[in-house]
Amino acid sequence: DVKVTQSSRYLVKRTGEKVFLECVQDMDHENMFWYRQDPGLGLRLIYFSYDVKMKEKGDIPEGYSVSREKKERFSLILESASTNQTSMYLCASSLPRGGGTDTQYFGPGTRLTVL
Amino acid sequence: AQTVTQSQPEMSVQEAETVTLSCTYDTSENNYYLFWYKQPPSRQMILVIRQEAYKQQNATENRFSVNFQKAAKSFSLKISDSQLGDTAMYFCAFRVGDNNDMRFGAGTRLTVKP
Repeated sequence: DVKVTQSSRYLVKRTGEKVFLECVQDMDHENMFWYRQDPGLGLRLIYFSYDVKMKEKGDIPEGYSVSREKKERFSLILESASTNQTSMYLCASSLPRGGGTDTQYFGPGTRLTVL
Repeated sequence: AQTVTQSQPEMSVQEAETVTLSCTYDTSENNYYLFWYKQPPSRQMILVIRQEAYKQQNATENRFSVNFQKAAKSFSLKISDSQLGDTAMYFCAFRVGDNNDMRFGAGTRLTVKP
């Protein structure tokens, strides 16, 4: 079974802090994604990576950056956390493009509260 | 722009009954893929069912089936013989071709009542 794990289920940070959210997958997937989930808005893509050290912006990259130094690990960084970044953050991974039906496998999510 | 609309924020159904969740999408592409994901309370999101747009036959996975109406751009999920474990948030999602960009609807919160 594919396993996608996230470093924390719950996190509380203060405005202005630098925040790191870590995601690890064990299926050798090339693609990894970071979403945020907000009520009434569904999931919105922040960034994704299709290979080590490669990244592409999603719909809402402002205020976030990412790092992928190893294939299995994809980190989301909030350089200076703000209250409007309070949300549920979901990581996902999938096989590379091609075939089209590749499923995205999700982690359990990190509920981040910024005070 | 590609969009996904789930018009039912919340639904409920009695155990053992059938329920249908609605989803519509908007795209000008011809090659795309549709998905239903389930997110149980405090648990990970998992894939329920998927449909390739080029296939006319509706996908089925045990008690879960879809009604894919390509011309109407509609992709509803039917859950038969609902079980308490089906209580979850359900998201409809859509991806064009080989793109990595997956679009999600806002979700429908389904409660199965005993």
